[in-house]
Amino acid sequence: SYELTQPPSVSVSPGQTARITCSGDALPKKYAYWYQQKSGQAPVLVIYEDSKRPSGIPERFSGSSSGTMATLTISGAQVEDEADYYCYSTDSSGNQKVFGGGTKLTVL
Amino acid sequence: EVQLVESGGGLVKPGGSLRLSCAASGFTFSNAWMSWVRQAPGKGLEWVGRIKSKTDGGTTDYAAPVKGRFTISRDDSKNTLYLQMNSLKTEDTAVYYCTTDGSGSLPRDAFDIWGQGTMVTVSS
Repeated sequence: SYELTQPPSVSVSPGQTARITCSGDALPKKYAYWYQQKSGQAPVLVIYEDSKRPSGIPERFSGSSSGTMATLTISGAQVEDEADYYCYSTDSSGNQKVFGGGTKLTVL
Repeated sequence: EVQLVESGGGLVKPGGSLRLSCAASGFTFSNAWMSWVRQAPGKGLEWVGRIKSKTDGGTTDYAAPVKGRFTISRDDSKNTLYLQMNSLKTEDTAVYYCTTDGSGSLPRDAFDIWGQGTMVTVSS
């Protein structure tokens, strides 16, 4: 079955840049999506189609994808950005829809 | 206000059945593709399945672990999405979220609007 791999945790100080990676064999052909989930809350879409930002999402959130790796970048991370972040994509056929295992971002 | 509200969760024994509902408001539900996503306690997100709008065929797709046991349906007259869960297993224990699968200008697979989730516990 198809898998997306993320680091379990990333830690930065406030104001620093946080980068969270997501690797998957089909990412050269399929878009990545990124979701933020704060404790006890439903997920929120922060990036879609690799690099597009939904309305209402701060500009410090950006996304990119190259080869088999997609990256979520938070420039000037703030304490309120502490959350679990999940990438999402599909296998090359589009039939298997999967989330990565999630990355816990700590900002302190 | 755009809103999704899930209901129907609870405690059920292994092998049992449960039907979840998701009431939509504030947007044109009949045009929406809808997905269910679940999250086991302390674990990550898992896509469960999707239903297209009736104008796009109304067909469904499911993740391998639930295929043949779970059924997604919709009643556009009631603006409600359903998840019928049969032959439940302990590993189905999770918070179940309904979400729009692309809405407005967003593409499919962009899960934009989420409900608050409903907890399903499968235990003897």
